[in-house]
Amino acid sequence: GAVVSQHPSRVICKSGTSVKIECRSLDFQATTMFWYRQFPKQSLMLMATSNEGSKATYEQGVEKDKFLINHASLTLSTLTVTSAHPEDSSFYICSAPRGGLSGELFFGEGSRLTVL
Amino acid sequence: QKEVEQDPGPLSVPEGAIVSLNCTYSNSAFQYFMWYRQYSRKGPELLMYTYSSGNKEDGRFTAQVDKSSKYISLFIRDSQPSDSATYLCAMSASIWADKLIFGTGTRLQVFP
Repeated sequence: GAVVSQHPSRVICKSGTSVKIECRSLDFQATTMFWYRQFPKQSLMLMATSNEGSKATYEQGVEKDKFLINHASLTLSTLTVTSAHPEDSSFYICSAPRGGLSGELFFGEGSRLTVL
Repeated sequence: QKEVEQDPGPLSVPEGAIVSLNCTYSNSAFQYFMWYRQYSRKGPELLMYTYSSGNKEDGRFTAQVDKSSKYISLFIRDSQPSDSATYLCAMSASIWADKLIFGTGTRLQVFP
C-alpha cells in the first residue's frame, strides 16, 4: 500500500484563489519532504525541500511567496499555491524519504491543479 | 549537457518482448541509481535501487549499472500491457535523497 499520501488528487480553481495540497507520510516520520512540479512529457522538477521545524529550501527560480510550504509535523507537509494563475496549472508531486535515504524515497499520487 | 540523459520515447513493443530502457550520465560521482515507474497521472513508484556497479534482478526486472561507461539500463522480460508507463531513472552521488537527479523518463507502450 501507499506509504505517502497526497491530497487532493485533482483540484480546479479560479484565478486568484489559493490552493492547499497535503502530503503525509503514513508509516514513517519524515523530517524532510520534497515538492516537485511536472509538466507533460517532462521530468520531475524539484521545487523545494520541506524541513520539519524550519523554513523550506527553495530551488532557484521558484517563488517562495507564491508556493508556501509548511512542514507542520513529522508526517505532514503542505504546499499552498497562493493567488493561482493559469500558468500555475501543473502536476504537483510530493515525496518523502524513509530514513532520509535516496533508495527509500516514496512519492505521493500527485495533484493535478487546473487554474481557470 | 544535462547531468542525466534519457530517451523520451515512446517505445512501443509487443507483449512478451524484452524491453531495454537506458540512461546516460555525466557525473562520475554518481553511485546510487534508481528506476521508477510512473503511470499516467500518478506519482512515481520505486522499482529498483542499485548501489555502484553491477546487476540487480527482481522478478522480471533487471537493473544494470556500468559506471565505466556512465550508463545504466533497466531490462523488462516478458513485458506485459500493464508495464505500459513512463520509466524514470534517478541517480545521486549521495546516499541522501536531497541530491537525487532524475531523467526525463521514457514512455513505454506494450501492446497485446
